[in-house]
Parts: sequence; structure tokens; C-alpha cells
Amino acid sequence: QLQLQESGPGLVKPSETLSLTCTVSGGSISTSSYYWGWIRQPPAKRLEWIGDIYYGGNTNYNPSLKSRITISVDTSKNQFSLKLSSVTAADTAVYYCARWSTSVGWFDPWGQGTLVTVSS
Amino acid sequence: DIQMTQSPSSVSASVGDRVTITCRASQDISSWLIWYQQKPGKAPKLLIHPTSSLQSGVPSRFSGSGSGTEFTLTISSLQPEDFATYSCQQAKSFPLTFGGGTKVEI
Repeated sequence: QLQLQESGPGLVKPSETLSLTCTVSGGSISTSSYYWGWIRQPPAKRLEWIGDIYYGGNTNYNPSLKSRITISVDTSKNQFSLKLSSVTAADTAVYYCARWSTSVGWFDPWGQGTLVTVSS
Repeated sequence: DIQMTQSPSSVSASVGDRVTITCRASQDISSWLIWYQQKPGKAPKLLIHPTSSLQSGVPSRFSGSGSGTEFTLTISSLQPEDFATYSCQQAKSFPLTFGGGTKVEI
């Protein structure tokens, strides 16, 4: 059974870089037809797609965040990562990683999510 | 960007009730609409694929319909475990976007 787990600091200072890693277990990240994505949900707000990556390195980014995000993949560790630079309080959110199907467009499964708070 | 608008934002219902949630897209997304269920403190759970197909393991009381710009999620007979927030997502084009959610409460 495929499982995803986010890890990283829960508190980041304003103007610094948020870094999260998603570890995939129960299956290989090097799978065709799937990308690996990041989605966030600020408190009491809607889900927001951040971006995703293919195991070969191809990425798709949300234009609203594109200047600040980098998503990378490490197939040897079965992991992919998110870096979000120059964070502000508006970046406080629960961050989820999930597998994304390129053929039907859904996210499944999802990691449990990790709350990242931006505060000094 | 394609904007997704859900209505209502919340609905009060009782066990056994029929509940219908609407999701509207700001432009034609054909059948590229996905529904998720989310319970407090948990990750979203995939319910319905594009073309209104139920994800494996999802009870048949859930159904989806629609195409173009208007879509509905129907729970035919609400069960206690169905009290949650339901969100739609369009997969027609990047950036992928989600609706604001509909909270189904007692």
C-alpha cells in the first residue's frame, strides 16, 4: 500500500526558506503516469496546488508561486522535496504531498500533512 | 486560472438525508472534475474521478454528475461518517484549482 509522509521544520522565520521532504513508501517513485505533488491549505482556506514533479525531473509549478518554489526528486531515496523561499505569514499552512495521476488528474494517496507556521 | 465555486459553503443535515453539493467552474472543464472528502485534521480522501467514477472502496451512496461548468456531488442517504468537508478540483488545465469546500454538519 503506497504511503507518503511529509517531514520538515514546523516553524520558519519570515524571509527564510521553507523546506519539506516527502518520503514515498510501499511503491517506487520512479513510476510512469504519475507525478508527485505538493498542495497546501492555509487555516480555514481552500486547498492550493503548489506544483509537482515527475521522477525524471520534469516539473509543473503554480504561476502564483513559481518565482519562489523549487521541487526536486531523489529517486535513490524515493523522496521528493519542496523549497519555498522568502516566506511570509501568508505561507502558514498545512502542507501535503500526494501522488498525482496524469491520466485522470486526481491526487491519491495523500500524506497526513504537516503544519508549517511562519513566525519570528 | 479556472475558478472553482462551491455551494453551499455549509449545509446542516440529518442521518438519512439526501445531500447535494454543487461545484461550478469559471470555464468549460468537460468532465475533468474530482471530488474529495476531508475530515478535521486529516488529509483529503479521493471520492470521485473524472467521468463521475467512484474511487475503489467509496460507498455507492456517493455519486457525481455534470460536465462543462456545473457539477454535483450527491450523498443519497447521509451516514454519521459522512459528516465532513467536501471539495472539488478541476484537472482540465494548470494551475490545478480547488473549490472552497462545503461543510456537511449535523
